[in-house]
Amino acid sequence: EPEVTQTPSHQVTQMGQEVILRCVPISNHLYFYWYRQILGQKVEFLVSFYNNEISEKSEIFDDQFSVERPDGSNFTLKIRSTKLEDSAMYFCASRRTGMNTEAFFGQGTRLTVV
Amino acid sequence: RKEVEQDPGPFNVPEGATVAFNCTYSNSASQSFFWYRQDCRKEPKLLMSVYSSGNEDGRFTAQLNRASQYISLLIRDSKLSDSATYLCVVILDTGRRALTFGSGTRLQVQP
Repeated sequence: EPEVTQTPSHQVTQMGQEVILRCVPISNHLYFYWYRQILGQKVEFLVSFYNNEISEKSEIFDDQFSVERPDGSNFTLKIRSTKLEDSAMYFCASRRTGMNTEAFFGQGTRLTVV
Repeated sequence: RKEVEQDPGPFNVPEGATVAFNCTYSNSASQSFFWYRQDCRKEPKLLMSVYSSGNEDGRFTAQLNRASQYISLLIRDSKLSDSATYLCVVILDTGRRALTFGSGTRLQVQP
C-alpha cells in the first residue's frame, strides 16, 4: 500500500539553526500539506501546496518557513532560524483531488529545539 | 468561535459499551468531513469519511447534520484497541483544500 514517508523521524537542533524536514508524498497525489502538533495540543495546519506553488498558508507559516518540491518526488519544509517554540511533531500529508478524498499522513518528524 | 469544535473528553467507558462523539463546525459552506484516529505520538489515520446520508463501517457509524452543522461518530461494542484520540476533520469550503482539525476527543476503553 502506498504511503507518505518522512525523514528524519527525530531531529534535535540548536536554537537559531536551520532545519529541513523531508517528505515523499504518494506518487499520484496532487495536494501536499505540512501540519504540526505541539505535544498535547491539536494538529495545526501550516501550508498546502498544489501545482508547484503554495495554495494556502496559516498565520503560523511566517517568513521563517518555506516549502519546496525540488525534484518532483520530495516535498520539503525548511525552518530558517529555529526557536524553542518550534519544537513539535511535523506531519506531511498528501491527497488526491476530488471531494471526500482523504489525506494520508506520514509518520512525522519530531523536532526538538534546544 | 472555533472552526471545528470537539469535546476533549476523556471518555472512560467499559469494554462493550456504546459511545458517541459530536463535533461542530462553524462554516456552513464546508464540503467534506472525516473522522481520523490518532494514537499517542503517532500520525492521524483515517477512520471514515462522513457522507450526507450517514454511513456505517462495522462497529462505527458516522452521521452528518448540515442544518445544525455537526458530525457524530458512534462506536458500538467498544474494544480496548479503540482507545485513542478521535479527530473531527473538515475541509472548510470550495476555495480551500486544507483539512482543519478539531482538538480531538480522547477515548479510554477499560477492561
